[in-house]
Amino acid sequence: ELKVEQNPLFLSMQEGKNYTIYCNYSTTSDRLYWYRQDPGKSLESLFVLLSNGAVKQEGRLMASLDTKARLSTLHITAAVHDLSATYFCAVDIKTSGSRLTFGEGTQLTVNP
Amino acid sequence: DGGITQSPKYLFRKEGQNVTLSCEQNLNHDAMYWYRQDPGQGLRLIYYSQIVNDFQKGDIAEGYSVSREKKESFPLTVTSAQKNPTAFYLCASSRHTLAGRTDTQYFGPGTRLTVL
Repeated sequence: ELKVEQNPLFLSMQEGKNYTIYCNYSTTSDRLYWYRQDPGKSLESLFVLLSNGAVKQEGRLMASLDTKARLSTLHITAAVHDLSATYFCAVDIKTSGSRLTFGEGTQLTVNP
Repeated sequence: DGGITQSPKYLFRKEGQNVTLSCEQNLNHDAMYWYRQDPGQGLRLIYYSQIVNDFQKGDIAEGYSVSREKKESFPLTVTSAQKNPTAFYLCASSRHTLAGRTDTQYFGPGTRLTVL
């Protein structure tokens, strides 16, 4: 059974600081997604990482994938309040039959 | 505008009633999905469909049923057999996948179901 674990689950940080969210998964995969969810809202796609060593960046967010370590990271640079949200990683494995398994989510709060 | 619509936005159900949640997409996506989200938790897959007239159970299918008669529509029925249905329900769709793979899933705005 595929397990996807994120840490931390809760993250409170100050504006201007840097931090990293980690996503570990238990079965070989070469395809991983990051989503953002604002309170009471739906999920918004942020990144898709399709191969080992893939790195994607958008604004203050940068995501990477290490398939050998079964690890993805979402790095936040110089956080701003607008980044406050819950971030989910989701993993696709070949034997899953066209479905994703989501992590529990990391609730990020950026304080002034 | 292309996108995914869900209705209603809020739904209240009495115990013992069946209710149906609507999900429609005009993205021409082949695959569609239903997820349940409980407060402070991640998403759990209820059912998914890769093609019209075919669907598969996800991790928590008990107490739910679906149909996929049209490519653009994937309604979810929450039956009285689902003992704790109060949750946020999200529908998603994605482009046709290669065997065993999935493409980026795009989500609808969600339906918040409350049992009275």
